[in-house]
Amino acid sequence: DVKVTQSSRYLVKRTGEKVLLECVQDMDHENMFWYRQDPGLGLRLIYFSYDVKMKEKGDIPEGYSVSREKKERFSLILESASTNQTSMYLCASSQTVNTEAFFGQGTRLTVV
Amino acid sequence: AQSVTQPDIHITVSEGASLELRCNYSYGATPYLFWYVQSPGQGLQLLLKYFSGDTLVQGIKGFEAEFKRSQSSFNLRKPSVHWSDAAEYFCAVGPSGTYKYIFGTGTRLKVLA
Repeated sequence: DVKVTQSSRYLVKRTGEKVLLECVQDMDHENMFWYRQDPGLGLRLIYFSYDVKMKEKGDIPEGYSVSREKKERFSLILESASTNQTSMYLCASSQTVNTEAFFGQGTRLTVV
Repeated sequence: AQSVTQPDIHITVSEGASLELRCNYSYGATPYLFWYVQSPGQGLQLLLKYFSGDTLVQGIKGFEAEFKRSQSSFNLRKPSVHWSDAAEYFCAVGPSGTYKYIFGTGTRLKVLA
C-alpha cells in the first residue's frame, strides 16, 4: 500500500515564526501536492510538484513556499506564520497525471 | 471553468437506511472521477474511482457510484449505512491533462443509531 507520511499531526506556532511541514511518500510517485482544508471551502491546492526540484503554484500559494530536493519528500514552508494560516494541511502524492491521489493523515496547524 | 459541486453540506440518515450523496461536475474533457472519505482528524481515503468503461463502479466499504455523462453526475450510493460510515465525503475530478485535482466542498454524513 502507498504510504504518505506527514511529519506532525498537530503543531502550534506563534505569529511570525517559520514553519516547516514535511511529507514523505514511499511509492516513488512523480507528483506531490500540498492542500489546505478549511470548513466550507473544501480542499484548496497550495503548490504541487511533478518532479524533483520542479514546482508549480496552485490556487492559493501566497504566504507559502515549497521544496522538493528528493523525489520522496515534499516540504511546505511558511516563512512567517500568520493567524490566517491556521488550518488543516494535507499532503498527497500520485504516480502520474491520470491516477488517483493518496493522502497523508494531515497536520492541524494552529498559529497563535 | 472546471468545477465540482456537492449540493448537500450535511446529510443525516438512520443506520440501515440507504444513502445517496450527490456530485455534479463541470469538465471539458472526459473526466476522471473520485470519491474520498475523511474521518475526523484524518486524511482522505479513496473510496472508488472512475476512469472509463462500466459506468457503475464498486468501491471499498460497500460503496458504489454511477457515472452519468448526460447529467454530469457521479453520485455515491450505499444500500445500508453503518454507524462507522459517519464521516465527510469528497467528490473530485481530474487531473486529465493537468496536475490538478478539483475537489467539491464535501458532504458531512451523520448516522443515527
